[in-house]
Amino acid sequence: EAGVVQSPRYKIIEKKQPVAFWCNPISGHNTLYWYRQNLGQGPELLIRYENEEAVDDSQLPKDRFSAERLKGVDSTLKIQPAELGDSAVYLCASSSQPGLASSGTDTQYFGPGTRLTVL
Amino acid sequence: GESVGLHLPTLSVQEGDNSIINCAYSNSASDYFIWYKQESGKGPQFIIDIRSNMDKRQGQRVTVLLNKTVKHLSLQIAATQPGDSAVYFCAENSGGYQKVTFGTGTKLQVIP
Repeated sequence: EAGVVQSPRYKIIEKKQPVAFWCNPISGHNTLYWYRQNLGQGPELLIRYENEEAVDDSQLPKDRFSAERLKGVDSTLKIQPAELGDSAVYLCASSSQPGLASSGTDTQYFGPGTRLTVL
Repeated sequence: GESVGLHLPTLSVQEGDNSIINCAYSNSASDYFIWYKQESGKGPQFIIDIRSNMDKRQGQRVTVLLNKTVKHLSLQIAATQPGDSAVYFCAENSGGYQKVTFGTGTKLQVIP
């Protein structure tokens, strides 16, 4: 089974330019997450989708960041315009519905991330 | 605000020895904790989890211990191998379903 797929793996842009990241979750996973990870730190949630609905976007900087998951499968995260401080790794993760998992919270499976460098 | 953090940023361990990675959390409402392993250039990988109604949980070569009294979580890796070298994150779920907060991370270096 394929894992979470992200592209591109690396992106270098100049400040004020737009950039977009793409994520394809594990087949059948209805929950999709976008995280930002700064160097030496843990991932920070930007937005969470349940199918095509954004159910938690409280940490998404909405002035420049946007995301969509139109058909409830793959997703795109966009930054426009990018700033120097946006340099980070952008991770996508997916999980399935809670159900019989012992924890009641299904495991999140992460993609390899997109490393963004803003010059 | 509430946070999850780690005591040690870097841990060096001899191959074959046991490793212990510690984590302190401050949100007493957290009911679920997870340890992730992140290798260079990869996303975090689930290792083991534990609910707040448990004190200990074991997996293959890994054990997680939870001390709710002092809000402390630890990950024990038995017979540490070079492949265990990575950054380890503890994470907590306290904000409802699927809302996970990650700590800063500890880098584990295994010395051959």
